[in-house]
Amino acid sequence: DAKTTQPPSMDCAEGRAANLPCNHSTISGNEYVYWYRQIHSQGPQYIIHGLKNNETNEMASLIITEDRKSSTLILPHATLRDTAVYYCIVTNFGNEKLTFGTGTRLTIIP
Amino acid sequence: DGGITQSPKYLFRKEGQNVTLSCEQNLNHDAMYWYRQDPGQGLRLIYYSQIVNDFQKGDIAEGYSVSREKKESFPLTVTSAQKNPTAFYLCASNSGRYNSPLHFGNGTRLTVT
Repeated sequence: DAKTTQPPSMDCAEGRAANLPCNHSTISGNEYVYWYRQIHSQGPQYIIHGLKNNETNEMASLIITEDRKSSTLILPHATLRDTAVYYCIVTNFGNEKLTFGTGTRLTIIP
Repeated sequence: DGGITQSPKYLFRKEGQNVTLSCEQNLNHDAMYWYRQDPGQGLRLIYYSQIVNDFQKGDIAEGYSVSREKKESFPLTVTSAQKNPTAFYLCASNSGRYNSPLHFGNGTRLTVT
């Protein structure tokens, strides 16, 4: 699996959009970008994933650059409950060797 | 509701004792996984199983054992051979098909003294 690079921490004001970046410059052609988040002392929660097109669901939007070397997770209207560690992962099959790095600790400020 | 159940949430053991962590899923998923998380760290893969009666070692399998006798269950035994067993243990599952997202339980925090 390709490595990813994320900033260790970010703050965002409540009600604003939170934009979390991820670099994955060694991503291969068949690898997807996945995002998960982990609230303290809970299991990670799946958010969204994509291959090359931008994706949106009820939780977030995922923007992948045309060269696929980086992506941004967007939480459109951040709430205090979005405070968590966010993990960006790239993988190409079945998640059996999926490894999570240390992610970005997002803090939503009231 | 479908999901993954890990029990207990907190577990305390004395050094030298084996301990088994429970993981049950009712999602009809073929594949199940065990991860370990240490404070401030990411998740590291211990064991995974893609089908009943079969499992493979992950990156840090030493000192751990698993079984997969039923599709719904994937218990993890932390043996006395594990040098630093105190950690947060997470169980996950997915359908096993290409690009099937992982679903996680809420973890068991094991403390060994």
